[in-house]
Amino acid sequence: NAGVTQTPKFQVLKTGQSMTLQCAQDMNHEYMSWYRQDPGMGLRLIHYSVGAGITDQGEVPNGYNVSRSTTEDFPLRLLSAAPSQTSVYFCASRGTGNTEQYFGPGTRLTVT
Amino acid sequence: SQQGEEDPQALSIQEGENATMNCSYKTSINNLQWYRQNSGRGLVHLILIRSNEREKHSGRLRVTLDTSKKSSSLLITASRAADTASYFCATDGSARQLTFGSGTQLTVLP
Repeated sequence: NAGVTQTPKFQVLKTGQSMTLQCAQDMNHEYMSWYRQDPGMGLRLIHYSVGAGITDQGEVPNGYNVSRSTTEDFPLRLLSAAPSQTSVYFCASRGTGNTEQYFGPGTRLTVT
Repeated sequence: SQQGEEDPQALSIQEGENATMNCSYKTSINNLQWYRQNSGRGLVHLILIRSNEREKHSGRLRVTLDTSKKSSSLLITASRAADTASYFCATDGSARQLTFGSGTQLTVLP
């Protein structure tokens, strides 16, 4: 199993540009989440999904959209990038009966 | 807002010493988990303790949970340079979403 994969690893955007961060998992996990991590802080939940077709907002959802058309994929869309969205983004997944969360390697995003 | 808060924010010890990190949280939980993050990498799950457990061991790791004080501690015994990393507690509550603390940066000096 590849686990949780994220692309790209690094991205630089200009203010106002849009882009999609990709996340995929091959463990047939129902739960998937997106977090952002800023220096000196823990992870803050952006959006999450409890299954295909079901998404919900986390702690910091503004400026981001998600969709979950399949169990495997959970892309995160930045609608109009802002410098405040400069961060490291982590995707994670977990099964319904298994409470351990598996993380992807992260995407380092810089918005100039 | 973050549920868990780790203490201390940074800890520096010599190889072979024990490292203790603490986590406090605010609301009721189903379980509490500890994760490790090496610099520039994703988080890796270390250990989970359920709300009805008081202590759990895994190798050199010992976790305690005091639900009356809403606190947990992670003890790493006989630390090694390779233990240098950030350590995060995460609480699993009624919303079934993990809420992470701000982490403890552990440095183990050779």
